[in-house]
Amino acid sequence: RKEVEQDPGPFNVPEGATVAFNCTYSNSASQSFFWYRQDCRKEPKLLMSVYSSGNEDGRFTAQLNRASQYISLLIRDSKLSDSATYLCVGHHSGNTPLVFGKGTRLSVIA
Amino acid sequence: SQTIHQWPATLVQPVGSPLSLECTVEGTSNPNLYWYRQAAGRGLQLLFYSVGIGQISSEVPQNLSASRPQDRQFILSSKKLLLSDSGFYLCAWTTGLNSPLHFGNGTRLTVT
Repeated sequence: RKEVEQDPGPFNVPEGATVAFNCTYSNSASQSFFWYRQDCRKEPKLLMSVYSSGNEDGRFTAQLNRASQYISLLIRDSKLSDSATYLCVGHHSGNTPLVFGKGTRLSVIA
Repeated sequence: SQTIHQWPATLVQPVGSPLSLECTVEGTSNPNLYWYRQAAGRGLQLLFYSVGIGQISSEVPQNLSASRPQDRQFILSSKKLLLSDSGFYLCAWTTGLNSPLHFGNGTRLTVT
């Protein structure tokens, strides 16, 4: 089983829709998690960190469920500019590499 | 503030030629450094990571190598490129646990 798994999509949603992505991780010792956004032919950019208590940044909400070993990203009121690939990342310990999921593609349609 | 520089942005090389990609980080000390490769339409593949000068961990056996001659310098090399080495190469750094990765702009390598 891969360490971090995501539904590859694509998710095709209309503008204004709410969309949610889940990401499961297999290493129960993973300690920190992040969501990244990657636009076509660009480097991934940090979208938000994921805290145990859940956190929100504008239209974006991230949640962590340690019991079920998944993290989620909720995007409300989708914009055309939200179209991108969303990558989840888990980190086990300070000197081990971060593990990326393969990404979920989102297309927001007018 | 911390910045990461990666060059060149694009590169076209013939099969069998050598490769050297350089990445430098500014504004931080003793970062953990990473090289990733992303084939077209695929996910990120970790190639190498380093937690200190001269310390290199290889994740995938292949004809690539990495070196860290200075604290904030990370170099990806190959003696002879293969067609399968084509891809988008990304350098990244982090300060450690609970800190996110920060990526360079990437190098798009085409081996012909």
